[in-house]
Amino acid sequence: DAKTTQPPSMDCAEGRAANLPCNHSTISGNEYVYWYRQIHSQGPQYIIHGLKNNETNEMASLIITEDRKSSTLILPHATLRDTAVYYCIVRVEGNNDMRFGAGTRLTVKP
Amino acid sequence: DAGITQSPRHKVTETGTPVTLRCHQTENHRYMYWYRQDPGHGLRLIHYSYGVKDTDKGEVSDGYSVSRSKTEDFLLTLESATSSQTSVYFCAIGTGGVFSVQAFFGQGTRLTVV
Repeated sequence: DAKTTQPPSMDCAEGRAANLPCNHSTISGNEYVYWYRQIHSQGPQYIIHGLKNNETNEMASLIITEDRKSSTLILPHATLRDTAVYYCIVRVEGNNDMRFGAGTRLTVKP
Repeated sequence: DAGITQSPRHKVTETGTPVTLRCHQTENHRYMYWYRQDPGHGLRLIHYSYGVKDTDKGEVSDGYSVSRSKTEDFLLTLESATSSQTSVYFCAIGTGGVFSVQAFFGQGTRLTVV
């Protein structure tokens, strides 16, 4: 019962913006969009989350479409250390079961 | 880095033996979680805790038990390890509430059951 769809892999040139898409066409009104990443062999790392407004923090920006059916995570200046698997997750607020799918494997190339 | 430590980091054990994994935090977060990660399945929630002595089951809780007698420690026990429990286990901590997120993850414990 996958709630999100992400491309399995993407490449990005070092120093360029990495735009990672996520489709969540069945999202409901009380579900948030979360993004995590997992660098090889390490534990996942929380990046950002949002409900309907665009969000930005020191790591990334999250752009959510007006109909909330898709979103994009933007890493403004990708570095080699951003190479990781990126997970897009939708979850009802207060639900403690965060379901991680297959994610997108982003490879940043020099 | 957040103060979350998993121990041991690696363990090999025999089928049928009990195994306990420990997650220790220094952040005083209310919520703690245990996940397992397997190829083809991603990360799956085993159990979580929302306070001392307060725990609940996740997606794949069969064969596992947990205990939380102190805020800082969350233990995962495999009562009788099986080969299907060979996996990488991650602990996470979170603040809970409206913006409850699994904010920080540990470095993982690689468990091999032979």
